[in-house]
Amino acid sequence: KQEVTQIPAALSVPEGENLVLNCSFTDSAIYNLQWFRQDPGKGLTSLLLIQSSQREQTSGRLNASLDKSSGRSTLYIAASQPGDSATYLCAVNSGYSTLTFGKGTMLLVSP
Amino acid sequence: DAGVTQSPTHLIKTRGQHVTLRCSPISGHKSVSWYQQVLGQGPQFIFQYYEKEERGRGNFPDRFSARQFPNYSSELNVNALLLGDSALYLCASSLGQGALGYTFGSGTRLTVV
Repeated sequence: KQEVTQIPAALSVPEGENLVLNCSFTDSAIYNLQWFRQDPGKGLTSLLLIQSSQREQTSGRLNASLDKSSGRSTLYIAASQPGDSATYLCAVNSGYSTLTFGKGTMLLVSP
Repeated sequence: DAGVTQSPTHLIKTRGQHVTLRCSPISGHKSVSWYQQVLGQGPQFIFQYYEKEERGRGNFPDRFSARQFPNYSSELNVNALLLGDSALYLCASSLGQGALGYTFGSGTRLTVV
């Protein structure tokens, strides 16, 4: 059974800092991994999708890496802004028609 | 293009009642999945439907059921509601079974009193 862990559970940083969110998964046999953002009480917004054959994906100030063999992914946010404040969720697609999610990292960026 | 649309956005029900939640996928997407998210937790998989057939079921009781219609929209039904069913219910659509990722709707907030 796939299990996904996200560290840290919460993070508070001043505006402008670069930061790293971590995601680990127990079964390395994955199809892909997706990072989402969730604002309070809202749905999920897809940020980045990394296929199992890829090492990283970039979108603007976001960069996600994948090390499938070690069961790890990181989301790097450059020059953080208050608008980045949200919960970030990592989800693993192991090919069984489901996504397995971590509990998320709650990020607060203060001005 | 419209994204994934869910209705209603909010719902309050009494214990023991029945509820139906609705989802319309992105145009061209043939797969719909349902997830339950309780406060402070990541979403948990309930069902996936692809081409109107059930392709996956999570660890939820038989009170939960779903179906997909010929236009690929979907309904999630929950019978005999319990207080613990209070959650955000999320619908996701994908082209196939997730090879190109999933797009989520804004969710339905269900409160059971």
